[in-house]
Amino acid sequence: AQSVTQLGSHVSVSEGALVLLRCNYSSSVPPYLFWYVQYPNQGLQLLLKYTTGATLVKGINGFEAEFKKSETSFHLTKPSAHMSDAAEYFCAVSEQGAQKLVFGQGTRLTINP
Amino acid sequence: DGGITQSPKYLFRKEGQNVTLSCEQNLNHDAMYWYRQDPGQGLRLIYYSQIVNDFQKGDIAEGYSVSREKKESFPLTVTSAQKNPTAFYLCASSQTGATVAFFGQGTRLTVV
Repeated sequence: AQSVTQLGSHVSVSEGALVLLRCNYSSSVPPYLFWYVQYPNQGLQLLLKYTTGATLVKGINGFEAEFKKSETSFHLTKPSAHMSDAAEYFCAVSEQGAQKLVFGQGTRLTINP
Repeated sequence: DGGITQSPKYLFRKEGQNVTLSCEQNLNHDAMYWYRQDPGQGLRLIYYSQIVNDFQKGDIAEGYSVSREKKESFPLTVTSAQKNPTAFYLCASSQTGATVAFFGQGTRLTVV
């Protein structure tokens, strides 16, 4: 069975500082990995995904994530936080070829002025 | 514009009543999903459907029912058997063989 653990339910950074949101996964088969963002009372929007190939993937809004198989991690980063980045972020995993997503618990990102 | 429409955005239900949440998509996607979101628990899969007239239970299907009579529609009924129905419900869809799911804006259900 697959699972996702997001370390830290709440992360707070200053505007302009590095954003690092941690995600570790468990999967018995090569995974597909995703990061989604959710603004208050909204649906989820895809930030980026890893399927195969290059392990460093770039997404929208300046975010990127690196797939590290040896560490079973897929941490999300952004060099410089902006106030508009305040939202909840979800890491998700699926099996290659499968369509069901398994989500982490979410991390709420707060940006301090 | 293509997308997923969930209605209503807010819904109030009395205890003991069934209620149906609407989800319509015009993306021509084959697969559709219902998730439940509770604070601190992420999203949990209720039901999913990969083709018309077929659907499978997810991780928390008890107290819920669905139908898939049309490709573009996947309504979710929250029955009186669901003991704790107050939550944010999200509908999603994806193309067959694709891994990316597109989400609707959600319906917040409150039992009063």
